[in-house]
This record gives sequence, C-alpha cells and structure tokens, in this order.
Amino acid sequence: AQKVTQAQTEISVVEKEDVTLDCVYETRDTTYYLFWYKQPPSGELVFLIRRNSFDEQNEISGRYSWNFQKSTSSFNFTITASQVVDSAVYFCALSEAPMGGGYQKVTFGTGTKLQVIP
Amino acid sequence: KAGVTQTPRYLIKTRGQQVTLSCSPISGHRSVSWYQQTPGQGLQFLFEYFSETQRNKGNFPGRFSGRQFSNSRSEMNVSTLELGDSALYLCASSLGAARGQPYEQYFGPGTRLTVT
Repeated sequence: AQKVTQAQTEISVVEKEDVTLDCVYETRDTTYYLFWYKQPPSGELVFLIRRNSFDEQNEISGRYSWNFQKSTSSFNFTITASQVVDSAVYFCALSEAPMGGGYQKVTFGTGTKLQVIP
Repeated sequence: KAGVTQTPRYLIKTRGQQVTLSCSPISGHRSVSWYQQTPGQGLQFLFEYFSETQRNKGNFPGRFSGRQFSNSRSEMNVSTLELGDSALYLCASSLGAARGQPYEQYFGPGTRLTVT
C-alpha cells in the first residue's frame, strides 16, 4: 500500500527566510512518481513538479528546489527567500502506474500549511 | 488552453437529498479523477474515469457514483446525503497513465458542498 507522510502540519516563517517542507513516502513499487502541489486560499491545487523514481537529480526552479533521496524515501521541497504569496497548503503526492497500463492511482499527503509573515 | 472547470462552485443541500457535480477537463485530457477534501481526512481519492470507463475506485460507499461522457466531461453523484459529506470536491484531469508513466493532474477550483 502507498503512503505519504507530511509530518509538518503548519509552518510559519518570516518573509525572506528559507523553508523546507518534508515528505516521506512508502511504496512497494520500483517505478513510481512523486508530485508536489500548492493549494492557495482560493482552493485550486496547482501542479508544481513531477519526479520519477529513476531520477534522483535535485531540481531547482527559481526560488523552488526539490531534494529526492530514495535511500530515505524522501522528497523534500525548499522555498528560498520566502514571500507572502508562498502562503498556501502544500501537498506531496505519490503515484504508481502499473506497467500493464490502466489506471493512475494517486495518494496525497495530509499537507503542510505554510504561512509567510511579512 | 482553458483549465479544468467545475460547476457549481458552491452548493447547499439537505440531508437525504442527492446532488450532481460536473467537471469539464482540459481539452485533450481523457482521464478525470475525483477527490473529496475535508479538514479531518485530507484529500481522498473517489474514482478515476478514462474514456468513459471507471478504472479505479477509492474506499467510499456506493452512494458516491460517477460517469464520464464521450467528450470526457464527468459527473459525480452523491445520493442520500449525510452531514459528513460536506466537503470540497475536486476534479482533476490528466492525459491519463501511459504504460508505466502517470501524468500530472490539473485540478479544478472545486465544488464546496455543504449538507445541513
């Protein structure tokens, strides 16, 4: 069974501080995908990034960076120089996709609410 | 390209009634998934449709059902509403899962259902 754990329920930082959101996952599959989504107060989840289990390269996109480590089953997300607009709930998600094709089953973590204080 | 649209955005129903929610995916997307989001349970997967076929279902009672039309639009129905069904219902569309490769999902704004 798949499981995604986001142990940090809420985090508050002062603007311009760096913040890391943790994500730990469990799966028996050797092929899987990890995602991060952002849910601002408006409610709509916004896709941020997808990584597959064979690609452990870290990725940086502007102020966002992701650290994927299979050895610790973690896929952490860092926001550098946080801004008030980063305030949102962030979800980590895990997806398997059977090699025989078919369905896409996605398991979401419980989310981390980030508040950036001006 | 237009995003995922969901209607209605807000809905208030009474216990025992039934409700139908609608979702129009991004053009070209054939997979539509539905999720229930509540403060206590987080995001829970309801079901996924691909080319009018339900491919996967979460652990929800039979009161929750759905369907997908030939144009990929999807509807979700909840019968005999209970107070606990109050939630944000999110629809997500994607290209679908190719052999061993799932695609990212794009979410709509959700329908906020309140059951009184």
